[in-house]
Amino acid sequence: QKEVEQNSGPLSVPEGAIASLNCTYSDRGSQSFFWYRQYSGKSPELIMFIYSNGDKEDGRFTAQLNKASQYVSLLIRDSQPSDSATYLCAAAGRSGGYQKVTFGIGTKLQVIP
Amino acid sequence: GAGVSQSPRYKVTKRGQDVALRCDPISGHVSLYWYRQALGQGPEFLTYFNYEAQQDKSGLPNDRFSAERPEGSISTLTIQRTEQRDSAMYRCASSQGQGDGYTFGSGTRLTVV
Repeated sequence: QKEVEQNSGPLSVPEGAIASLNCTYSDRGSQSFFWYRQYSGKSPELIMFIYSNGDKEDGRFTAQLNKASQYVSLLIRDSQPSDSATYLCAAAGRSGGYQKVTFGIGTKLQVIP
Repeated sequence: GAGVSQSPRYKVTKRGQDVALRCDPISGHVSLYWYRQALGQGPEFLTYFNYEAQQDKSGLPNDRFSAERPEGSISTLTIQRTEQRDSAMYRCASSQGQGDGYTFGSGTRLTVV
C-alpha cells in the first residue's frame, strides 16, 4: 500500500507567522509531489508542485523535497487568515504504467488574526 | 471548457437505485480521474482514463461501480444498486498528461437514503 502521511491538525499559527506543513510518503519510486489547498466545502486547488530535491519558491509559498528522507514540506510565509484551509499533500509514483497520484488526509491550517 | 464540470452537483437517491455521475474535463486534457472524498479525508482514487482507455480501475470498491469515457472526453461514473455506504463526495479531475497537477471539478455530493 503506497501511503502519504500527514498530521490532520489543526495547526494554528498567528497572522504573519510562518506555517510549516509536513508530509511523508512510503513509495521510494515517487517522482512528483503536489500541494493542494482545499477550502471548506470546496474542491482541492493545486498550489505547488515539486520534482527535484531542494526548495521551490512561489510567492509566499516554498515547497521542500528530501527524497532520501521521503519527506515533503510546504512553508507559508507571512500567513494570512485567508490561508486558513486544509492542505493536501500528494505523491505521484509509477503504477501499472502510469503516474498514479496518492493523496494524504490533509492538514487543517488555522491562521489566527 | 474553462474548467472541469461535474453534474449533478447534488444527488439524493433511494437505496437500490442506480445513479450516473457526469464529468466534462478541460478541453484537450488527456487524463481523467475519478476520486471519492469522505468528510475530513483526502481524495481516494477510484479510476483513471487515458483518452478513452480505462487504464486503472483498481480503486473501484466493487462491481457495482463502473466508469466509461467512450470518446475520450466526457466520462460517466455509474453506481448500480446504491447503498448508504456509497454516500460521499465524488470528484472528477483532469490533467494534460499523467503526472501533471490536476484540476478538480466541483464534485457531486451523493446521498443514498
